[in-house]
Amino acid sequence: SYELTQPPSVSVSPGQTASITCSGDKLGDKPAFWYQQKPGQSPVLVIYQDGMRPSGIPERFSGSNSGNTATLTISGTQAMDEADYYCQAWDSSSSYVFGTGTKVTVL
Amino acid sequence: EVQLLESGGGLVQPGGSLRLSCAASGFTFSSYAMSWVRQAPGKGLEWVSTISGSDASTSYADSVKGRFTISRDNSKNTLYLQVNSLRGGDTAVYYCARRPGVYRGFDYWGQGTLVTVSS
Repeated sequence: SYELTQPPSVSVSPGQTASITCSGDKLGDKPAFWYQQKPGQSPVLVIYQDGMRPSGIPERFSGSNSGNTATLTISGTQAMDEADYYCQAWDSSSSYVFGTGTKVTVL
Repeated sequence: EVQLLESGGGLVQPGGSLRLSCAASGFTFSSYAMSWVRQAPGKGLEWVSTISGSDASTSYADSVKGRFTISRDNSKNTLYLQVNSLRGGDTAVYYCARRPGVYRGFDYWGQGTLVTVSS
């Protein structure tokens, strides 16, 4: 089955840039998505189709996907961005797969 | 306003069954594929199943195939998940989510319903 791997944690200072990677075999050939989940809340879609932002998602969130790696970048990170982030890909054989998740800490 | 409201969770013994429901409002339910995603306590997200809006074609994660059945009633704007032969590993919060298209991800999520499998 298809697997997506993320770093368990990323730390960032307020105002700096956080980059979260998601690795999978030929991930760049598949559409990738990113979700933010704060404690006790449901996930929120922050990036779809590799780098598109849903309505209402701040411009500081951006995404890219190439080769075996998708990346979520948070520019000018704010305290409110502290959360767990999950990547997701659509694979025609495995349907939807989530990554292992990354806890972003804003120090 | 799009709203998804899950219900039907609870405590069930190993081997037992439940039917989870997700009541949808604020959009044309029949036009959207819908999915179930679960999250075990303190763990990550796991995709469970998806059903299309029109022809009701379905897909399942290997971990639930043959035990879980996704269905929908477009006249009632409701999504279902019949969960059978439950195991301890099925203990999780079960979320329903709307899927606008394969390339659009899951754009709206419910608040989740907790299923606890324990004797």
